Amino acid sequence: NAGVMQNPRHLVRRRGQEARLRCSPMKGHSHVYWYRQLPEEGLKFMVYLQKENIIDESGMPKERFSAEFPKEGPSILRIQQVVRGDSAAYFCASSPYGQEYNEQFFGPGTRLTVL
Amino acid sequence: SQQGEEDPQALSIQEGENATMNCSYKTSINNLQWYRQNSGRGLVHLILIRSNEREKHSGRLRVTLDTSKKSSSLLITASRAADTASYFCATDNRRAAGNKLTFGGGTRVLVKP
Repeated sequence: NAGVMQNPRHLVRRRGQEARLRCSPMKGHSHVYWYRQLPEEGLKFMVYLQKENIIDESGMPKERFSAEFPKEGPSILRIQQVVRGDSAAYFCASSPYGQEYNEQFFGPGTRLTVL
Repeated sequence: SQQGEEDPQALSIQEGENATMNCSYKTSINNLQWYRQNSGRGLVHLILIRSNEREKHSGRLRVTLDTSKKSSSLLITASRAADTASYFCATDNRRAAGNKLTFGGGTRVLVKP
């Protein structure tokens, strides 16, 4: 059973370009979480999705950021018109349920560098 | 301080010694989890302790939880060079929808051979 997969592992974009980060949860997991980690800091929650639904996007910046988890295919975190401050590691995690005692399994992350 | 703050921020020990780090949080929680992150890598789940548990063991790891003080500790016994990493606590907020995690800033542990 493959773990959480994220691609690309490294992404370089110039200011103003778009970044698309993909996350394939573990098999059988229908809950996906996105987190952002700035250098030397802990992870910050961004958004929680189930298939075709955004459940909690309280950690998402109001502009330029969007996320989806379609019925088929991976979850996508999309950042439009990237700025240098978007440079960070973006981690996806999945869990089988949204229940309170389920651990989250993390992917290896996508390291975004904005030039 | 933020939810899930670790203390100390950095720790340097000799191989074979024990490493202890603490985590404090502010709100009521469902559970508290500890993760390890090697430099430039993803997170590895170490242990989950529920709000009604006080202590849990896993191999060389021992975690305690004191909900009255809103704090937890992670003890790594007989440390090895391979334990060098950053360690994060993460809390699952009782009031939050789903179980999004709130992470602390981490404790950077260096185990010298």
